[in-house]
Parts: sequence; C-alpha cells; structure tokens
Amino acid sequence: DQQVKQNSPSLSVQEGRISILNCDYTNSMFDYFLWYKKYPAEGPTFLISISSIKDKNEDGRFTVFLNKSAKHLSLHIVPSQPGDSAVYFCAASERALGGGATNKLIFGTGTLLAVQP
Amino acid sequence: KAGVTQTPRYLIKTRGQQVTLSCSPISGHRSVSWYQQTPGQGLQFLFEYFSETQRNKGNFPGRFSGRQFSNSRSEMNVSTLELGDSALYLCASSVTGGLNTEAFFGQGTRLTVV
Repeated sequence: DQQVKQNSPSLSVQEGRISILNCDYTNSMFDYFLWYKKYPAEGPTFLISISSIKDKNEDGRFTVFLNKSAKHLSLHIVPSQPGDSAVYFCAASERALGGGATNKLIFGTGTLLAVQP
Repeated sequence: KAGVTQTPRYLIKTRGQQVTLSCSPISGHRSVSWYQQTPGQGLQFLFEYFSETQRNKGNFPGRFSGRQFSNSRSEMNVSTLELGDSALYLCASSVTGGLNTEAFFGQGTRLTVV
C-alpha cells in the first residue's frame, strides 16, 4: 500500500523553464512533508519542507505547494538548471500513535528530473 | 560542521553471514533513523532511535536490529543475510526527533550479499 505516490517516473525540462514535480498521499495523518534530491549512490539531500498548516513554502528557486483537500503537493523549480538533474523524492511524516514525536518518513518512489541545456 | 557519516561505504557479504553498519549523526543531533533503498521497493523506513531508545520500527523481520549509544552514534545489524538484503542502507539524523524537523542523510552503505 503506497501511501505516498509520485506518478511520474521521469520529467524532462529545458534549462531556464519551470520544473513541476508532483506527489499525492493517502494518509490524512501526515502533517509534515519534505522534498529530497538524490544522486546515484549518495544519500538524499534535503531541499524544502512544508507543514500541513501551510499551503506554500518558498526557498530561493524552490517552492512547495500543499493542497490538503486534494492530498496533493508539488515542488516547483524555477528557473531550472542542468545541475538540478537528479531523482526527487517526496516524503511525509506522520504523528506517532498516541501523538508522540517520530521521525519516520514515508517516501514516494521518486521522479527523475532531467534538465536539458 | 560535519555531516552524517556512515561506515563502511561498501560491503560484500555471503548469504548466512551477519553484518554491522555504523552511523555517526551530526553533532548535537539525538535522533537517528535507518532506511533501506532497493530498486524495487524504494526508500523504506527500518527504525528510529532517540536517546538510546527505539522509538519507531518499520515492517522488517527481526533479523534487522539496531541500537544507539550515549553519544548518539548508532549501529544496525542484519543477521542471517539473504540475497534480498542487498541494498543501499541510509542513516538520517535529526536535531530533536520531534515533529516537523528535517532529517539529514549520510551517503549510505552499499551492501551486496552474494
């Protein structure tokens, strides 16, 4: 049962254009969402996050949008650069049973972004 | 500030053996989580430790275990290795381990079981 879904395995974008990566989730208990970038044989690098009480968070070229009613979030990269080419993972964090803290992240399957020069 | 350090980077083991992987979190971080990444299953949560206590556990068999030391360093152990255990094992650390905190990952240990 995939609770976090990234339905596009790959995306190709021209340099300078906007990249939009999408993520859907099914668990309404998720209250924190993160985007990571990953190169082969390396660990994921944190990019940006958003709390469920917000609908937008921006950090430089990266903006994450959250639509709670649709259980959907997206990452916008603008302008896209060739160095952005990597696999992007969406992840969600849920409140632990009993309301306690936890750092358990549920990851999507990733989207391979290729930015063409 | 040093990042999350995982050792070794690469490991080859034979079926039936056991293996121990090590993770040193970012200084000051008290929460350490472990993940397994495989081509078929993606990134899957193994377990999380906070202040030397296992706080959360994923859906993995008992062959997978871990511990955390008083200096927050963590180890994970896999016993009776199977071919399917071949994967990239990732460790992540967080400051407090509370809600709404980012997890920072190490470069991982690539385990190959032959």
